Amino acid sequence: AIQMTQSPSSFSASTGDRVNITCRASQGISSYLAWYQQKPGKAPKLLIYAASTLQSGVPSRFSGSGSGTDFTLTISCLQSEDFATYYCQQYYSYPYTFGQGTKVEIK
Amino acid sequence: QVQLQESGPGLVKPSETLSLTCTVSGGSISSYYWSWIRQSPEKGLEWIGQIYYSGSTNYNPSLKSRVTISVDTSKNQFSLNLNSVTAADTAVYFCARDRSSGYSGSWDQWGQGTLVTVSS
Repeated sequence: AIQMTQSPSSFSASTGDRVNITCRASQGISSYLAWYQQKPGKAPKLLIYAASTLQSGVPSRFSGSGSGTDFTLTISCLQSEDFATYYCQQYYSYPYTFGQGTKVEIK
Repeated sequence: QVQLQESGPGLVKPSETLSLTCTVSGGSISSYYWSWIRQSPEKGLEWIGQIYYSGSTNYNPSLKSRVTISVDTSKNQFSLNLNSVTAADTAVYFCARDRSSGYSGSWDQWGQGTLVTVSS
């Protein structure tokens, strides 16, 4: 199975900050990567698919980049509602796998 | 807007079978892939498997020997059976729909999740 590794596991940030979360695949996955946001007690919410395509209804402050093995989720101007845990997920091959998550906390 | 709702027992005894159903409302189960995904503090998010409305399936090899996913298009439902459960199967179980019809990969519609605890 392809292993997905996110960094950092958690960090603190302030409203208005620009933040980057990275995700590395254990082998090349082209652009078959999705990003999700999850808040406590809720299901994950799809933010980005195909590494850089914004899901309908998701604010434009979210963006994704990368291909192959290295990917980045960027939040250009952190809002209060963005404090959550973020996951990357590959769908290049079965079994589909997720990163361990990155928790964004309020500084 | 399609909605998904998981249902089934919240408590299962070790060695028994975990059975969950996902009911799809507000849209047809046809033309999409449907997945089961679980989440536990120990393992994080784990894809269990998927079924196409036609009935074809793909399973996570780590669970394949114990998992069966089925679909009932007449009821707009799909189901998960996981046998010989242990405490390691305790998790929140989600059902989810693939983002695009006829294509498998990422999930834009999710159920709220249901906690299943394995304990005697």
